[in-house]
Amino acid sequence: SAVISQKPSRDICQRGTSLTIQCQVDSQVTMMFWYRQQPGQSLTLIATANQGSEATYESGFVIDKFPISRPNLTFSTLTVSNMSPEDSSIYLCSVDRYGQAVGEAFFGQGTRLTVV
Amino acid sequence: AQTVTQSQPEMSVQEAETVTLSCTYDTSESDYYLFWYKQPPSRQMILVIRQEAYKQQNATENRFSVNFQKAAKSFSLKISDSQLGDAAMYFCAYMNYGGATNKLIFGTGTLLAVQP
Repeated sequence: SAVISQKPSRDICQRGTSLTIQCQVDSQVTMMFWYRQQPGQSLTLIATANQGSEATYESGFVIDKFPISRPNLTFSTLTVSNMSPEDSSIYLCSVDRYGQAVGEAFFGQGTRLTVV
Repeated sequence: AQTVTQSQPEMSVQEAETVTLSCTYDTSESDYYLFWYKQPPSRQMILVIRQEAYKQQNATENRFSVNFQKAAKSFSLKISDSQLGDAAMYFCAYMNYGGATNKLIFGTGTLLAVQP
């Protein structure tokens, strides 16, 4: 399994500001994923982050709003920019461990973001 | 595009009884993975069980088993001898095998209540 530390666990932010969420994995991983879970909803993939290349964004998500960094094989950040109340969600980091259990994803505990 | 459908927003089961959660999916691929994830109030996504599409045998993990019907594109989860700790949101998820990005596509979830 993989141990994933996500920070902060929760935050309350003013609209118009930005928040950066950090995801640290206890071992090197090829792919890291960022998901959004809106209140009472399912998880939706925001983007896939590979080390050394730009993140790949899903339809409906853009880099200007959700810039992602992936400086090495154990760390990634997601920034939620120019926040509005509609951005209030849980944001989850996930990794896929090739070689361990291909096709199995592990998740961090998520960041609960409230925008006021 | 692949889709995952969970038609039961909420389910309830008596402690020690058996409950089955339904999931259907749509894909044109022949090789893929299917998963059931559990999300308790702590928000931590926990893998319950995993099924490779090329395997005819249904996956089993202790009290959890699946009924995988590939032709019908159905993937139900059976929880036997239900325990209070099984109460959580359950998500069915799909992943392409060997794709460029191993992203998960989630259903909308089923909230399971366990009655003492």
